[in-house]
Amino acid sequence: DSGVTQTPKHLITATGQRVTLRCSPRSGDLSVYWYQQSLDQGLQFLIQYYNGEERAKGNILERFSAQQFPDLHSELNLSSLELGDSALYFCASSAKPGRSYGYTFGSGTRLTVV
Amino acid sequence: DAKTTQPNSMESNEEEPVHLPCNHSTISGTDYIHWYRQLPSQGPEYVIHGLTSNVNNRMASLAIAEDRKSSTLILHRATLRDAAVYYCILDRGYGNKLVFGAGTILRVKS
Repeated sequence: DSGVTQTPKHLITATGQRVTLRCSPRSGDLSVYWYQQSLDQGLQFLIQYYNGEERAKGNILERFSAQQFPDLHSELNLSSLELGDSALYFCASSAKPGRSYGYTFGSGTRLTVV
Repeated sequence: DAKTTQPNSMESNEEEPVHLPCNHSTISGTDYIHWYRQLPSQGPEYVIHGLTSNVNNRMASLAIAEDRKSSTLILHRATLRDAAVYYCILDRGYGNKLVFGAGTILRVKS
């Protein structure tokens, strides 16, 4: 157990639907990062939050959005789902900006769009 | 984002040391060198990181070249459980995102 909790572990849904993925960071970590990993793309950075505020954005589609709540958990919302959105979605957390800290990853949510 | 270059794959025998190289010729003075590994269908796992000096922890050692343009992850005695994709990444700190490349697939033979 890495200390980063992601739910659900598996999700199967139909095209056009909307889903929410949840991430609880490791205790004490203020930053949350979302990554997408599909078979042909490797790990792609989506978005980062630090203490409730958006900090950095990667190649995140407009159909996707995220937020970090006061208790520091984060949710990634994926809407108007397409077959190509099927992937593993990982959340990572780190302590805070500043000197470099190790990042802790969760075990991921496997999303299958049918 | 500063880029790293790693071999696509490497093979090792069980119980032998493994040296995984990484080139990062465009590294800046404030970039930390991070290594992560990923087993199939699992999240990446932190291995080690450093700035200028060599680093050791219970998992591995990190040897950083004097000019910092390359580094080597050393697994002292490879086991079958070390078979994974190993990623070498540069991190600017200050909450900057980690950008993953393709990594090195390490195969360990018994």
